[in-house]
Amino acid sequence: EVQLVETGGGLVQPGRSLKLSCVASGFTFNNYWMSWTRQAPGKGLEWVASITNSGGSTYYPDSVKGRFTISRDNAKNTLYLQMNSLRSEDTATYYCTRDYYDGTPYFDYWGQGVMVTVSS
Amino acid sequence: DIQMTQSPASLSASLEEIVTITCQASQDIGNWLAWYQQKPGKSPQLLIYDATSLADGVPSRFSGSRSGTQYSLKISRLQVEDIGSYYCQQAHSNPWTFGGGTKLELK
Repeated sequence: EVQLVETGGGLVQPGRSLKLSCVASGFTFNNYWMSWTRQAPGKGLEWVASITNSGGSTYYPDSVKGRFTISRDNAKNTLYLQMNSLRSEDTATYYCTRDYYDGTPYFDYWGQGVMVTVSS
Repeated sequence: DIQMTQSPASLSASLEEIVTITCQASQDIGNWLAWYQQKPGKSPQLLIYDATSLADGVPSRFSGSRSGTQYSLKISRLQVEDIGSYYCQQAHSNPWTFGGGTKLELK
């Protein structure tokens, strides 16, 4: 059974940093691209970052480029999201997602989500 | 960026009713479209990919179609477990973008 378990969320002040982790199980982690997607309270979904299966390439939307860094440790089956210079608009539930088997950015498995609140 | 305009924003329907949700892409995205279901308090789940292909384990009452740059998700006979929010997502061009969502409620 595929499982994605996120940790690391919490309350953080604007301008500070936070690092999320996602431990994957139930599939061969290093065969899959992985992503993070977020959902602000009561709002829709927004893709945040993606990383290739090897970790050699990463992709971001302009809203987080230069502030967020996605990475992975294939030996630990773990995906990370380092979030710097956090803003109030980054307040959201962050989901770790597995990309479709061929790397297409369809997200076929989602974690339970972790809440990040940016507030003073 | 490709804009995905989803309609309606909310929808109230009766059990066994046919429900249709649409998504309009701002430019050609071919068949690079997915639909997700998010039940209240839960994480989203992939329903449809490549515009018309059913994801594993998804009931056959769900179907997807495409007409040009307009995409539709159809629920043939609404069940109580289908209540929740639905989102389309384009996978044609970075940044991958979602529609604004459709909240489906029981009448």
